Amino acid sequence: SQTIHQWPATLVQPVGSPLSLECTVEGTSNPNLYWYRQAAGRGLQLLFYSVGIGQISSEVPQNLSASRPQDRQFILSSKKLLLSDSGFYLCAWDRTSGNNEQFFGPGTRLTVL
Amino acid sequence: AQTVTQSQPEMSVQEAETVTLSCTYDTSESDYYLFWYKQPPSRQMILVIRQEAYKQQNATENRFSVNFQKAAKSFSLKISDSQLGDAAMYFCAYRSPMYSGGGADGLTFGKGTHLIIQP
Repeated sequence: SQTIHQWPATLVQPVGSPLSLECTVEGTSNPNLYWYRQAAGRGLQLLFYSVGIGQISSEVPQNLSASRPQDRQFILSSKKLLLSDSGFYLCAWDRTSGNNEQFFGPGTRLTVL
Repeated sequence: AQTVTQSQPEMSVQEAETVTLSCTYDTSESDYYLFWYKQPPSRQMILVIRQEAYKQQNATENRFSVNFQKAAKSFSLKISDSQLGDAAMYFCAYRSPMYSGGGADGLTFGKGTHLIIQP
């Protein structure tokens, strides 16, 4: 069966510090991968998606970037965090040949102070 | 661009009763997918139910069922025999079919409804 992992689970970082969040998927190959952010009291906002290694699409202009160095690895990064980057970050995957539903990881809670 | 609206920020229901969560959406597409996700306090997003727009029959999953009204662009979730474990945030989500090239754009979510179960 497929599983999706995210780490760290919780992170507290000062403003201006770098960020690296990691997401990995097991039990499948060539998944589509997604990064969402959930701000307090709001739904999920799509940040990035990737259909293959090295292929990244961004949905909104922001202080963050994403990379996909391996087939089942998706990384969310920032060189200098802003207070507004605080939130809950969720990674998700699906297959183009699937039934259109996405499967989510456990998430990372990021607090920028 | 598609939008999803959940007009009920919070709903409360007595245990064992039935509750309906509302969702409306706006789209110009004729083929698409709709989902209800549950987010308990652990914040793990869990798929509750899905509906293909081309299917007239409403989807059901045990105590969960939907009322899909395509012309009205409405997609409500009914939870029967509510249980304490149903307490969570519920999100309605829209997706273009992947074959159209839109699927890899991800899901469009509503802002969610906080469901409280009264014992």
